Amino acid sequence: AQSVTQLGSHVSVSEGALVLLRCNYSSSVPPYLFWYVQYPNQGLQLLLKYTSAATLVKGINGFEAEFKKSETSFHLTKPSAHMSDAAEYFCAVSSNTGRRALTFGSGTRLQVQP
Amino acid sequence: EAGVTQFPSHSVIEKGQTVTLRCDPISGHDNLYWYRRVMGKEIKFLLHFVKESKQDESGMPNNRFLAERTGGTYSTLKVQPAELEDSGVYFCASSQVSRVDEQYFGPGTRLTVT
Repeated sequence: AQSVTQLGSHVSVSEGALVLLRCNYSSSVPPYLFWYVQYPNQGLQLLLKYTSAATLVKGINGFEAEFKKSETSFHLTKPSAHMSDAAEYFCAVSSNTGRRALTFGSGTRLQVQP
Repeated sequence: EAGVTQFPSHSVIEKGQTVTLRCDPISGHDNLYWYRRVMGKEIKFLLHFVKESKQDESGMPNNRFLAERTGGTYSTLKVQPAELEDSGVYFCASSQVSRVDEQYFGPGTRLTVT
């Protein structure tokens, strides 16, 4: 069984500040981990993914995430927030064996203050 | 290349009525997934097609939901009869058989049952 916990349903940062969105996972098999973003009135867009290669993963729009097996974490960061980063962010887990469907966290809504 | 499309974008129906949602995956994508997000909750997996076959339907909530993918192209999800708790956003995603680690999502259908 797999599960994802996202700490903080709402996160607010100032423009130019560090963005840190937390994600912890549970998986009985080696996980694939993902961050998706949903902008208002749009579908989910893949930001980045970890599939057992490099533990530090770089994605689009300056985001990156680090897979830490010992902490079962996959936190999403961006050094400097931009107004356009305001959206809802979802962490998800799947695996390369068995069930291929994604298991999502409950989402974190990021607000960027001017 | 066209993305995943879903129709309708919004649907408002009364309890007891029937609604059919449609998903057109990216051309050539044999994997097709349905997910649902009810208000304030996490996005949950409903089922997974590989071509026209149901690979995994463990997430389907009950027998009021019927999914089909005739011919292995587009898919429909019928809810009959609809209940209040069926309200939410229904997402469709697709991927290539060889790329189970990269699902592309449609914009979703927002279903409101009154």
